[in-house]
Amino acid sequence: GAGVSQSPRYKVAKRGQDVALRCDPISGHVSLFWYQQALGQGPEFLTYFQNEAQLDKSGLPSDRFFAERPEGSVSTLKIQRTQQEDSAVYLCASSPSGTWNIQYFGAGTRLSVL
Amino acid sequence: AQRVTQPEKLLSVFKGAPVELKCNYSYSGSPELFWYVQYSRQRLQLLLRHISRESIKGFTADLNKGETSFHLKKPFAQEEDSAMYYCALTGANAGKSTFGDGTTLTVKP
Repeated sequence: GAGVSQSPRYKVAKRGQDVALRCDPISGHVSLFWYQQALGQGPEFLTYFQNEAQLDKSGLPSDRFFAERPEGSVSTLKIQRTQQEDSAVYLCASSPSGTWNIQYFGAGTRLSVL
Repeated sequence: AQRVTQPEKLLSVFKGAPVELKCNYSYSGSPELFWYVQYSRQRLQLLLRHISRESIKGFTADLNKGETSFHLKKPFAQEEDSAMYYCALTGANAGKSTFGDGTTLTVKP
């Protein structure tokens, strides 16, 4: 595709609801990253995949957050029992193998938890 | 632990003036440093990385390991440079990147 695609662009959830955020990386990109960006702050690392392997999930704030990339392409970030503090923009980025660490970002999903 | 500090939230300069966006980092090792830019209503994109040692859109950044800094500079700012700029660091664990909180640059006509 032309770039990293994220859906939905906007999501409003009631507190306690589960949400699923989708990321379609650039075709062929090996690495995939998820970030959380609160208002007025920089992106904060959540987790990282290389192909289907989740190599680092140290940034996931609680066990309510879960990410997967079962076939090494599309990834889903799931948040269970959403809380107000989960309100943020969730960014996905992908990176091709051999191009050390240059990340290509999606437009993000803005999650609002009411 | 890795940390990136951008001390200025907002920076305003006039067109044609020099601009410097500050970035300081903390990392016990050899980091890789980046500047990302986000123009209005666009997604975050790479501006430059220290390992390339190149100038992009007139911007340069030099990694100073002694001062643990990676300041972004441009000798003559243009109105189209107005954007949000983020400094980022990737350490030995190549997957995890740490971003600063960003500096909003406004270039006035």
